[in-house]
Amino acid sequence: GENVEQHPSTLSVQEGDSAVIKCTYSDSASNYFPWYKQELGKRPQLIIDIRSNVGEKKDQRIAVTLNKTAKHFSLHITETQPEDSAVYFCAASKDSGAGSYQLTFGKGTKLSVIP
Amino acid sequence: NAGVTQTPKFRVLKTGQSMTLLCAQDMNHEYMYWYRQDPGMGLRLIHYSVGEGTTAKGEVPDGYNVSRLKKQNFLLGLESAAPSQTSVYFCASSALDGEQYFGPGTRLTVT
Repeated sequence: GENVEQHPSTLSVQEGDSAVIKCTYSDSASNYFPWYKQELGKRPQLIIDIRSNVGEKKDQRIAVTLNKTAKHFSLHITETQPEDSAVYFCAASKDSGAGSYQLTFGKGTKLSVIP
Repeated sequence: NAGVTQTPKFRVLKTGQSMTLLCAQDMNHEYMYWYRQDPGMGLRLIHYSVGEGTTAKGEVPDGYNVSRLKKQNFLLGLESAAPSQTSVYFCASSALDGEQYFGPGTRLTVT
């Protein structure tokens, strides 16, 4: 099955700096890579996703890059703000053929933005 | 439009007791999923469903059963709870595009 490794497990940055979280996956057939943000005691919420037919996707201060050859993808947050503090999870999946995506998650990165 | 809801929010069980967690979604999604989240482990898929009347095993299915009798509901059952099943359980649903919407979670403690 799929295996997703996520690094670092914790990350502290000064407000205004950039943060980068990296993930690697094992199954070359995986084609869908979402990133979730989870605040303490809350549900995971999708912040950005990328599919294997593109190499980069941006949404305001958030970007994700994908290197299919190396089987890794990264989340980039620029101009970090205190409200970016949360746990971030990467995930990888492939369409099962029935239209569903069984996500395999990384173990998470706790991001702390210091004012 | 409530999205994905879960009941109950909290539950404490004794070892050997049984219970059912209910997940409901009002987005007409075909696909539904049950995950468990343990500290330092991320989320792990227990079971999932690709449509009404269908279920399939995920990464960690042992000790759990599921049913999807109606499209909008996905039930997760624990027949004989064990302390190792102490966890936070999240339900999610998705349409064909794959984006999964999560419920608020159920915190289960088994003593």
